Amino acid sequence: EPEVTQTPSHQVTQMGQEVILRCVPISNHLYFYWYRQILGQKVEFLVSFYNNEISEKSEIFDDQFSVERPDGSNFTLKIRSTKLEDSAMYFCASRRDSFSGELFFGEGSRLTVL
Amino acid sequence: GEDVEQSLFLSVREGDSSVINCTYTDSSSTYLYWYKQEPGAGLQLLTYIFSNMDMKQDQRLTVLLNKKDKHLSLRIADTQTGDSAIYFCAESPTANQAGTALIFGKGTTLSVSS
Repeated sequence: EPEVTQTPSHQVTQMGQEVILRCVPISNHLYFYWYRQILGQKVEFLVSFYNNEISEKSEIFDDQFSVERPDGSNFTLKIRSTKLEDSAMYFCASRRDSFSGELFFGEGSRLTVL
Repeated sequence: GEDVEQSLFLSVREGDSSVINCTYTDSSSTYLYWYKQEPGAGLQLLTYIFSNMDMKQDQRLTVLLNKKDKHLSLRIADTQTGDSAIYFCAESPTANQAGTALIFGKGTTLSVSS
């Protein structure tokens, strides 16, 4: 069964460092998303991406964050200068098209900022 | 703004039915979802319901939607210890441009005892 894959599963970084989280969405999907979940809190929407551009972003997704689809398969989230409060589980998700109700999530990348 | 509320804990005995409840605020939501998260794992799409339906059944899972009261429930029949997890309710509000950013509840921790 096709699935969304994410790497790394866990990354530890020092405050101020740049981090890139990688995702491979399901191959025939057109819409891609990043969400995050701070430990013990709600899953929060960060950004959605379609047709090689951001279609929507939340207040959390400030100038420190960027997304890219560098090739036909990867979808990346970059955090330019990490802060302690960026520590969270980051989930990538994908959807086939705008008519499909099914939104599939990856296993997540746990980011720990020290 | 949009919000999704769930009770935080539910404890049942193996073999009993579990009912997890959720209320949401956006009456224009197109899809409503249930996701399951096991410890340390990602978000697994369990089931979803389109807003013009009031019930959906999938094996041991039954979803009931009351649009008037903005209430969604997930019933798990013959609950097993493997069903122990956090269950997230989510809505897909149509107010945003992409119509696809999910709003999640805080999750209900289901504990199943044998």
